[in-house]
Amino acid sequence: DGGITQSPKYLFRKEGQNVTLSCEQNLNHDAMYWYRQDPGQGLRLIYYSQIVNDFQKGDIAEGYSVSREKKESFPLTVTSAQKNPTAFYLCASKSGTGGFEQYFGPGTRLTVT
Amino acid sequence: EDQVTQSPEALRLQEGESSSLNCSYTVSGLRGLFWYRQDPGKGPEFLFTLYSAGEEKEKERLKATLTKKESFLHITAPKPEDSATYLCAVQAGSGNTPLVFGKGTRLSVIA
Repeated sequence: DGGITQSPKYLFRKEGQNVTLSCEQNLNHDAMYWYRQDPGQGLRLIYYSQIVNDFQKGDIAEGYSVSREKKESFPLTVTSAQKNPTAFYLCASKSGTGGFEQYFGPGTRLTVT
Repeated sequence: EDQVTQSPEALRLQEGESSSLNCSYTVSGLRGLFWYRQDPGKGPEFLFTLYSAGEEKEKERLKATLTKKESFLHITAPKPEDSATYLCAVQAGSGNTPLVFGKGTRLSVIA
């Protein structure tokens, strides 16, 4: 059963701690993306990766870091430098061939207090 | 700069009351326009891709159309289960260039 998984669904952290959000896909997609969603703001791009071992900053990369060591995995670390980390985080992937549509995971809701 | 504007921000319909959601865009070299449905607390679900002006796609009560400046998502005889936020996105540039999303239209269908 192909798809994108994100874990955990809910995550709670204390301010000042780094936290890593998991994203795995078994669709054999080349490109992967991380978005942040806040009420009334729509989806904002954090980072994306078009191939293994390569990634680019999106519109709001400050305070975040990523790695792409395997095609299937694109973890996102929210660092203590991110000033307002509480949000809903969405991972997506897209095939390098065929249509241009992205497919999304179920999301992780991060709460930092 | 590529931009996507969706209207209205929120729409409340009675069950069976047909209507349309608008997505206007400015992009240099449109490669595709996408519609997604998002339920609260979940990831967006892909609905349609439109590639060129004049193209139409249908799925159950939903029909998406595309012109050179905007796209419409027509909802015919909606049911309460159609209640969701509908997102529009565009892609310009190469195949893996990130999509640019609008802020969405929050649709509520009342029985």
